[in-house]
Amino acid sequence: KNEVEQSPQNLTAQEGEFITINCSYSVGISALHWLQQHPGGGIVSLFMLSSGKKKHGRLIATINIQEKHSSLHITASHPRDSAVYICAVIGEKLTFGTGTRLTIIP
Amino acid sequence: GAVVSQHPSRVICKSGTSVKIECRSLDFQATTMFWYRQFPKQSLMLMATSNEGSKATYEQGVEKDKFLINHASLTLSTLTVTSAHPEDSSFYICSARDHLPGGGSYNEQFFGPGTRLTVL
Repeated sequence: KNEVEQSPQNLTAQEGEFITINCSYSVGISALHWLQQHPGGGIVSLFMLSSGKKKHGRLIATINIQEKHSSLHITASHPRDSAVYICAVIGEKLTFGTGTRLTIIP
Repeated sequence: GAVVSQHPSRVICKSGTSVKIECRSLDFQATTMFWYRQFPKQSLMLMATSNEGSKATYEQGVEKDKFLINHASLTLSTLTVTSAHPEDSSFYICSARDHLPGGGSYNEQFFGPGTRLTVL
């Protein structure tokens, strides 16, 4: 079993839909990254959080340390949001989830 | 956020040659840089952790003589793939950790755009 599990693995939605991507982990962590990887390969750090909730534009990330769970939400999704979203937990080192491939259809 | 650059963005080379990939932190000092590789549709795999001025720490299964890492300054780390073979073809990504005085809590990692290596 992976230390970091993401769900769903693949998600296709219509433009405008509210998107939720989940991340569960089994190790002790100090913080958690949400990363975005576009088809070209480059990785952008969206959030780093250790408690509560953070918001940036249409993106919202929450984390529940007790339940070892984090969610990434996208409101009013747009085709340009299509990418792979990766959850990475910060323990002894950065451990990555397998990613969620999101496709937003116009 | 902070910017990390990589050069080149893609490289094609012949089997047996060596390839050097540069990773630079453009607007911050990075005492620690990380090198990852990623195969298609797989997650990032940490290859090595590089601290400025000291030898890199390699993950289990990564050949240190094949993947030479140099971190000579607080803004530059290089990865040299020596005697490259087709199985070394992959996407290589570096990241750099921002350095805050006093240390202590974890500092955010910033990722480079990656280098796609194809070995013929």
